[in-house]
Amino acid sequence: NAGVTQTPKFQVLKTGQSMTLQCAQDMNHEYMSWYRQDPGMGLRLIHYSVGAGITDQGEVPNGYNVSRSTTEDFPLRLLSAAPSQTSVYFCASTRAGAYGYTFGSGTRLTVV
Amino acid sequence: AQKVTQAQTEISVVEKEDVTLDCVYETRDTTYYLFWYKQPPSGELVFLIRRNSFDEQNEISGRYSWNFQKSTSSFNFTITASQVVDSAVYFCALRKGGSEKLVFGKGTKLTVNP
Repeated sequence: NAGVTQTPKFQVLKTGQSMTLQCAQDMNHEYMSWYRQDPGMGLRLIHYSVGAGITDQGEVPNGYNVSRSTTEDFPLRLLSAAPSQTSVYFCASTRAGAYGYTFGSGTRLTVV
Repeated sequence: AQKVTQAQTEISVVEKEDVTLDCVYETRDTTYYLFWYKQPPSGELVFLIRRNSFDEQNEISGRYSWNFQKSTSSFNFTITASQVVDSAVYFCALRKGGSEKLVFGKGTKLTVNP
């Protein structure tokens, strides 16, 4: 049982490049989310999904796209990377009800 | 709107000291859930505890204990006889009933010195 798997673990991008951060879970969780963690800011919600085909914006959605074609996968796309998107990104999943999220191990992204 | 405040940015203690991490939350909902997560230097987020708004019983798990007080909107976390391995950033988080969103505090960095 792998839990939540994020790839890559590290990435360096040049300003203006695009890329996709991958997230997959094998727990059949309905809910999946992307957070970014910046020093002194805690974790902030970027986008979330309550099920396949359903996504919505979180607190800091600008510059990011998501889609949820399957229950298992929830990729995060950076359309045109900017230095302000340098951060650690966490994918998380949970099931409906009063449960805590299971987090992936994170992706450390640097945009130069 | 929901909000979680962890006023202590950093705490430093000597091993075997007891330490309490404060968490104050704001919500207008009657049903909500509170969480604590630990982020060790390796970076992963580790779930520690969940508490729902209808259960104000304190909880103890080994050296860890949690004090939930609705009257003061607080959910504080105490580590008894701290150890070096407790060094981490600790996050308090709030989830509204029926919502999939988790709102985090900014975290408290705990350093336990030998």
